[in-house]
Amino acid sequence: GQNIDQPTEMTATEGAIVQINCTYQTSGFNGLFWYQQHAGEAPTFLSYNVLDGLEEKGRFSSFLSRSKGYSYLLLKELQMKDSASYLCAVEPSNDYKLSFGAGTTVTVRA
Amino acid sequence: DSGVTQTPKHLITATGQRVTLRCSPRSGDLSVYWYQQSLDQGLQFLIHYYNGEERAKGNILERFSAQQFPDLHSELNLSSLELGDSALYFCASSATGGRNTEAFFGQGTRLTVV
Repeated sequence: GQNIDQPTEMTATEGAIVQINCTYQTSGFNGLFWYQQHAGEAPTFLSYNVLDGLEEKGRFSSFLSRSKGYSYLLLKELQMKDSASYLCAVEPSNDYKLSFGAGTTVTVRA
Repeated sequence: DSGVTQTPKHLITATGQRVTLRCSPRSGDLSVYWYQQSLDQGLQFLIHYYNGEERAKGNILERFSAQQFPDLHSELNLSSLELGDSALYFCASSATGGRNTEAFFGQGTRLTVV
């Protein structure tokens, strides 16, 4: 199975940068997803990493180190609308069950 | 709008009852996934169907069952409901059943068991 850890909460100021870490332990790893979820709404896809390194997509970037079992999501130029829960999800190599972390609630303050 | 439709949006029912949640995937998507999200447990994978066949099963209770029909819509049946089954139930769909595939989530069905 998968063991996925991410911080429960983070707070940052509008315009700042926040880095959300995700560590995982898994018996077989294929890739890692990041999803954003506003309270009471559906998760929406942000990024997918399968190779080591940084993937940049506008204000959001995601990094993966397969050897360290580590990923982070970097949110730049924070806006109030970025206040949400950010979910890290591990895609195993040996089955089709996507496992989600408990999520990190990011609060952006003015 | 993700293109995934779930009905109903809200459901209130009593313990011991049975309910059916429905999901229509995005047009052309062959895979449907069901997830349960409760306050204390986060998003939990329940089951995955691909083109009508079960592909993977997570921590789904025996009281719960699902199926995907020939038109690719899916239903999740929850029976002998308990208070602890109160949660948001999400359906997601993806184009294929393979890896590296982004899943699109519906708006969820909020189930309250009283």
